[in-house]
Amino acid sequence: EADIYQTPRYLVIGTGKKITLECSQTMGHDKMYWYQQDPGMELHLIHYSYGVNSTEKGDLSSESTVSRIRTEHFPLTLESARPSHTSQYLCASKRTGTEAFFGQGTRLTVV
Amino acid sequence: AQSVTQPDIHITVSEGASLELRCNYSYGATPYLFWYVQSPGQGLQLLLKYFSGDTLVQGIKGFEAEFKRSQSSFNLRKPSVHWSDAAEYFCAVLLSGGSYIPTFGRGTSLIVHP
Repeated sequence: EADIYQTPRYLVIGTGKKITLECSQTMGHDKMYWYQQDPGMELHLIHYSYGVNSTEKGDLSSESTVSRIRTEHFPLTLESARPSHTSQYLCASKRTGTEAFFGQGTRLTVV
Repeated sequence: AQSVTQPDIHITVSEGASLELRCNYSYGATPYLFWYVQSPGQGLQLLLKYFSGDTLVQGIKGFEAEFKRSQSSFNLRKPSVHWSDAAEYFCAVLLSGGSYIPTFGRGTSLIVHP
């Protein structure tokens, strides 16, 4: 059973607020990912990390930032939320040669 | 660059009917192949995976997939669909050496009629 957790599950926040979406995994995976997904749509990679102190931007341009100070933790931060950030955010992790495991997702609504 | 194509955006089947969801990939070598399922408002759950060996792979919930190298395909099948199978299905590809970033297809939405 995968052990990757995202909090909060749902978040409604006002424009201009700073938010951090949390993602933690207890599997010791070195690789972690953030995907953005609009309802019923495909997944877009926005950030990834190959290990501690390693972060890269993905294919989809995003105003968010990430950090990887600990292996198990990969938070995503929006400094100033806008309505265009409304979406579902999925966190995933894996180790070399295995499949990716996904969290339950955070559905963000910016009003 | 590798790519994954799921040509069907929506598939509608009757409960009890058989199902086949198509997935084609574009890459010179054989990648690792995956099928995931996503229920509304949830994350992705792995149904099955192919790394090597037997080209017919069995997964959870009665699903299976067949890797066909000549067609660069990895189609998902189920002999008898249940109403609870209604969900979004994603095919994914991972290079067997090199990139560690899974590439996902755009997904196929399965609708099940009673």
